[in-house]
Amino acid sequence: EPEVTQTPSHQVTQMGQEVILRCVPISNHLYFYWYRQILGQKVEFLVSFYNNEISEKSEIFDDQFSVERPDGSNFTLKIRSTKLEDSAMYFCATSEMLAGGNNEQFFGPGTRLTVL
Amino acid sequence: DQQVKQNSPSLSVQEGRISILNCDYTNSMFDYFLWYKKYPAEGPTFLISISSIKDKNEDGRFTVFLNKSAKHLSLHIVPSQPGDSAVYFCAASPSSGSARQLTFGSGTQLTVLP
Repeated sequence: EPEVTQTPSHQVTQMGQEVILRCVPISNHLYFYWYRQILGQKVEFLVSFYNNEISEKSEIFDDQFSVERPDGSNFTLKIRSTKLEDSAMYFCATSEMLAGGNNEQFFGPGTRLTVL
Repeated sequence: DQQVKQNSPSLSVQEGRISILNCDYTNSMFDYFLWYKKYPAEGPTFLISISSIKDKNEDGRFTVFLNKSAKHLSLHIVPSQPGDSAVYFCAASPSSGSARQLTFGSGTQLTVLP
């Protein structure tokens, strides 16, 4: 069964460093998302991406965050200058584009980001 | 921000019995609802969804009920199995927007006792 994959599974970085989290979507999916879950808190939406541009973003997704699909396969989330409060599980999700618009999102296993 | 609420952080059920997980929402723009199951160290796994034009959707042992007037939905699992033990998240998305962001509840830890 097709699945969303994410690398790395765990990333440890120093505060102020840049990190890039990678996701390989399910092949026929056209909508891509990033969510995060801080330990003990809810899963929160960060950004959605379609047709090589951001569709929606939350207030969490400020100027230090960016997304791109540089090679047509990987979908990446870059955090330019990490802060302690960026420590969280980051989940990539993808969905098809179906008529009617009600498409379930399939999640990857997540990347645990630890900022020291 | 408590647009989607799961008021029971945990639920224990005997194997073979019914598990009922509840979810309430406040945003009347939500019109598509999903349930996800999550094991530790894994991403959420899609279980079942329901559109606001329906009040029930069934898939095997899983049934989701939607009461729009009460802004309430529930997930029924019958019969419950030990492998169902996991955290269950309710999620909702609005009617507008081409890529629908999901708003999640805080989750309910289901434990099915053998």
